Amino acid sequence: QVQLQQWGAGLLKPSETLSLTCAVYGGSFSDYYWTWIRQPPGKGLEWIGDINHTVGTRYKPSLRSRITISEDTSKNQVSLKLSSVTAADTAVYYCARGFLEYDSSAYYDYWGQGTLVTVSS
Amino acid sequence: SYVLSQPPSVSVAPGKTARITCGGKNIGSKSVHWYQQRPGQAPRLVIYYDTDRPSGSLERFSGSNSGNTATLTISRVEAGDEADYYCQVWDSSLDPPRVFGTGTKVTVL
Repeated sequence: QVQLQQWGAGLLKPSETLSLTCAVYGGSFSDYYWTWIRQPPGKGLEWIGDINHTVGTRYKPSLRSRITISEDTSKNQVSLKLSSVTAADTAVYYCARGFLEYDSSAYYDYWGQGTLVTVSS
Repeated sequence: SYVLSQPPSVSVAPGKTARITCGGKNIGSKSVHWYQQRPGQAPRLVIYYDTDRPSGSLERFSGSNSGNTATLTISRVEAGDEADYYCQVWDSSLDPPRVFGTGTKVTVL
């Protein structure tokens, strides 16, 4: 059974760097798109970026200057760093596994439990 | 950027059918995936590749996709179906290449 367990600091001050890690238990690591998705309080889901061992990274255009997603295949972990955070980055952050089964389209079949990150002075 | 529009809310009586639409330009040419999110929980995949159900997903959930609209249909609605629902597409030619719909809150009357 695949499980995604995530952790990281939940309270940040403006201008600090958000740092989250997602550990993958069970299943292969290299065949998937490891994705970060966030959800501001009371709002919808927002894809912010992903990484695939072969293809590399893709990021949401508006975050491209601040975001880094990396993987550690020796630990089956994926990490998110978002620099210079503001209140607008306050959200629940989810890691998810993207499975590209066919048709050049992937769906998210496993999700982490979510981490609430609050940015406040 | 590519926009997926969903109605903010849908209300349905128990036992009836709920239909949730997801509008996007020529969405019928893309594969659409659907997620259910109950309050305080992570989203859960309920339909993938327009019409497929993952193991554990109820047969009461079905999907379709044509033209500019994809639809998630919930038959014989139960109280436990009350949740937010999101559509999603994946198209690496877009920027951003992965897009979620705006979300629909389903209320069971």
